[in-house]
Amino acid sequence: EIVLTQSPGTLSLSPGERATLSCRASQTVTTTSLAWYQQKPGQAPRLLIYAASRRATGIPDRFSGSGSGTDFTLTISRLEPEDYAVYYCQQYDTSSKYTFGQGTKLEIE
Amino acid sequence: QVHLVQSGAEVKKPGASLKVSCKASGYTFTSSYIHWVRQAPGQGLEWMGIINPDGGTTAYAQKFQGRVTMTRDTSSNTVYMEVRSLRSDDTAVFYCVREPAHGACNFDYWGQGTLVTVSS
Repeated sequence: EIVLTQSPGTLSLSPGERATLSCRASQTVTTTSLAWYQQKPGQAPRLLIYAASRRATGIPDRFSGSGSGTDFTLTISRLEPEDYAVYYCQQYDTSSKYTFGQGTKLEIE
Repeated sequence: QVHLVQSGAEVKKPGASLKVSCKASGYTFTSSYIHWVRQAPGQGLEWMGIINPDGGTTAYAQKFQGRVTMTRDTSSNTVYMEVRSLRSDDTAVFYCVREPAHGACNFDYWGQGTLVTVSS
């Protein structure tokens, strides 16, 4: 089973700063199968990035995804107040099916 | 506009069964897979299984095989998930989610979630 490990567990940054969130896979993940989600308290997750680097509909361009193989990154170029949330990466493979990382909490410093 | 509307919160006793519904609208029901994802209180996301509304074929995460059944009703554009032999650690929010296209490998629309509490 492919395990996704996200780091850091918690990231404390101020509005306007750049956020870099990491997602590391225990085995190679197909780029087209890697997605990122944002979840705010009391809400369902929202798709941000799919196929590792493609922004979902309506997602601001301050969100970007990159990476390949076993290392993937979600970058938020300039934090806005509404960006503070928990972020999850997710992958699909034929053996493990769908798995999520444990999440990174982005909090206001 | 795509919507996935789930049934309301439930309280169940250990050993009971649960059936949650998810009504889809705003797109062709049979053109997208529906998955179920659960989230225990304060925890992360866990994939449970998938149903193809076009034909009804299913696949489940190994830990849920034998205890979970997903079905669909194409006349009402509704997907159902039944969970049997509930335990206290099944207490969670259950989400139905749409995979936008076959092989997309991501979830573009989520239901509002159904909170299920399992307690004696």
